[in-house]
Amino acid sequence: SQTIHQWPATLVQPVGSPLSLECTVEGTSNPNLYWYRQAAGRGLQLLFYSVGIGQISSEVPQNLSASRPQDRQFILSSKKLLLSDSGFYLCAWSGGGFQEKLFFGSGTQLSVL
Amino acid sequence: TQLLEQSPQFLSIQEGENLTVYCNSSSVFSSLQWYRQEPGEGPVLLVTVVTGGEVKKLKRLTFQFGDARKDSSLHITAAQPGDTGLYLCAGATGNQFYFGTGTSLTVIP
Repeated sequence: SQTIHQWPATLVQPVGSPLSLECTVEGTSNPNLYWYRQAAGRGLQLLFYSVGIGQISSEVPQNLSASRPQDRQFILSSKKLLLSDSGFYLCAWSGGGFQEKLFFGSGTQLSVL
Repeated sequence: TQLLEQSPQFLSIQEGENLTVYCNSSSVFSSLQWYRQEPGEGPVLLVTVVTGGEVKKLKRLTFQFGDARKDSSLHITAAQPGDTGLYLCAGATGNQFYFGTGTSLTVIP
């Protein structure tokens, strides 16, 4: 069966510090991968998605970047965090094609102070 | 960025009552999903609807996809405290999934 791992679960970082969040998927090959951000009690904002190694599409220009160094690994990064980067970050995967559904990781609560 | 508006944003009802949540957009989607999310966790898929006008039932939950594939509704019959959570619709277009603004449901015992 497929599983998705996302870490860390919580993170407190000072303004101006770098960020690296990692997500890995097991039990499937060539998944589509996604990074979302969520404000408390609200909907999810699509940040980045990837349909293959090295292929990254950005939905919202901002202080973040994403990379996909391996087929089942997706990384969200920032060189210098801003207060506005605080939020709940979620990684997700889908099988692509007609399998139009997402499977989510457990999320990372990021607080930038 | 595709926009999906959900209404209501907040809903607090007594156990046993019925409710409907709406998801509206001006965009056409190839499919629409409904997810439920608990605090501090990732959303979990409830259902995917693909065909315009499609109706799916999942126990006490009924999902409908609009004829024009731009909107959807979720109806819960005889709500229970276990239904409490954040309900999210999401529209799929190509490889992208765009989420609605969310409906926070509280069912009071």
